[in-house]
Amino acid sequence: KQEVTQIPAALSVPEGENLVLNCSFTDSAIYNLQWFRQDPGKGLTSLLLIQSSQREQTSGRLNASLDKSSGRSTLYIAASQPGDSATYLCALGSSGNTPLVFGKGTRLSVIA
Amino acid sequence: NAGVTQTPKFRVLKTGQSMTLLCAQDMNHEYMYWYRQDPGMGLRLIHYSVGEGTTAKGEVPDGYNVSRLKKQNFLLGLESAAPSQTSVYFCASSVGQNYGYTFGSGTRLTVV
Repeated sequence: KQEVTQIPAALSVPEGENLVLNCSFTDSAIYNLQWFRQDPGKGLTSLLLIQSSQREQTSGRLNASLDKSSGRSTLYIAASQPGDSATYLCALGSSGNTPLVFGKGTRLSVIA
Repeated sequence: NAGVTQTPKFRVLKTGQSMTLLCAQDMNHEYMYWYRQDPGMGLRLIHYSVGEGTTAKGEVPDGYNVSRLKKQNFLLGLESAAPSQTSVYFCASSVGQNYGYTFGSGTRLTVV
């Protein structure tokens, strides 16, 4: 059974800092990995999707990497802003028609 | 575009009552999912569907039933609500397993 771990559970940084969020998984036979953002009381918004054949994806100030051999993914946020404050979740899709398995998320606070 | 719409947004039930949560998507997605989100537990899959007329069990299906009679709708039913079913319920849809998920804004259910 795929298990997804996100450490730390919470992170507080000053505005402007570059930061990395971590996601680790136990089964490297994945199909894809997705990073989501969730604002308090809201649904999840998809940020980046990395297919298993890819090493990274970029969108604006966000860069996600995938290393299947080590069972790790990172989400890099450049020049953080208070508007980046949210919970960030990673989720893995395994081969076949199995739905995404989610980590518990990292709650990010960017302090102005 | 509405995307994924969940109704109702809030509901309070008494133990033993029944209710149905509706998820509607207007993106012609084949796959639809129901997750619940609880503090400290993350997102857990209840049931999912890979196409009209199909349903499958997820990680925590007990106490819930689902139906996908129309492609655009995925219903989640609670036959006899229990306090343990107090949670935030999220519906999501996707074109397929290799594609990003679109989430609804959630239904906050309290069972007293």
